[in-house]
Amino acid sequence: EAGVTQFPSHSVIEKGQTVTLRCDPISGHDNLYWYRRVMGKEIKFLLHFVKESKQDESGMPNNRFLAERTGGTYSTLKVQPAELEDSGVYFCASSQASGMSYEQYFGPGTRLTVT
Amino acid sequence: GDSVTQMEGPVTLSEEAFLTINCTYTATGYPSLFWYVQYPGEGLQLLLKATKADDKGSNKGFEATYRKETTSFHLEKGSVQVSDSAVYFCALFRQGGSEKLVFGKGMKLTVNP
Repeated sequence: EAGVTQFPSHSVIEKGQTVTLRCDPISGHDNLYWYRRVMGKEIKFLLHFVKESKQDESGMPNNRFLAERTGGTYSTLKVQPAELEDSGVYFCASSQASGMSYEQYFGPGTRLTVT
Repeated sequence: GDSVTQMEGPVTLSEEAFLTINCTYTATGYPSLFWYVQYPGEGLQLLLKATKADDKGSNKGFEATYRKETTSFHLEKGSVQVSDSAVYFCALFRQGGSEKLVFGKGMKLTVNP
């Protein structure tokens, strides 16, 4: 069974440009999460989808970030326009259902560098 | 709000050394506690977990006990191997709250032969 995949693995863009990150969850997993780790800091929650609906987007830093999950399958996270402080590693995770009994499986992350 | 504080490192050990990574948490109610590990080039993997006080999670020679009285979940291994080199994250999940994991800052461990 394929795990959570993320694309690209690395992205280097200039301040003011747009970047779109993609996450493909494990097949059949309705729950999809985005997290971010800024250099040297905690991994922080960004948002949670249940199928195509945003269940919780309380961690989204500002309106430059837009997440979508069309058809309840893969998800994209767009940053427009990117700022220097957006640099970090963006992780995606998926789980079969929500709740502490259901493990969140993580992808390898996308390392974003904004110069 | 909920938070996790853990040793940050980096830490370098020799093979077969004893490892302890401290982790304490702040949360209302009774969270579940986790240790995740990220090996080079890979995603986060669940290493072990404990869902209630006094539970002990264990996997791959690692152990951690949920101590409610000290709000701690320290990770230990008696004899580390080179293959244990990775970044270790302590995390909590609070049922009934936002369905998210709350992580510590992570600790990079390097084990030398």
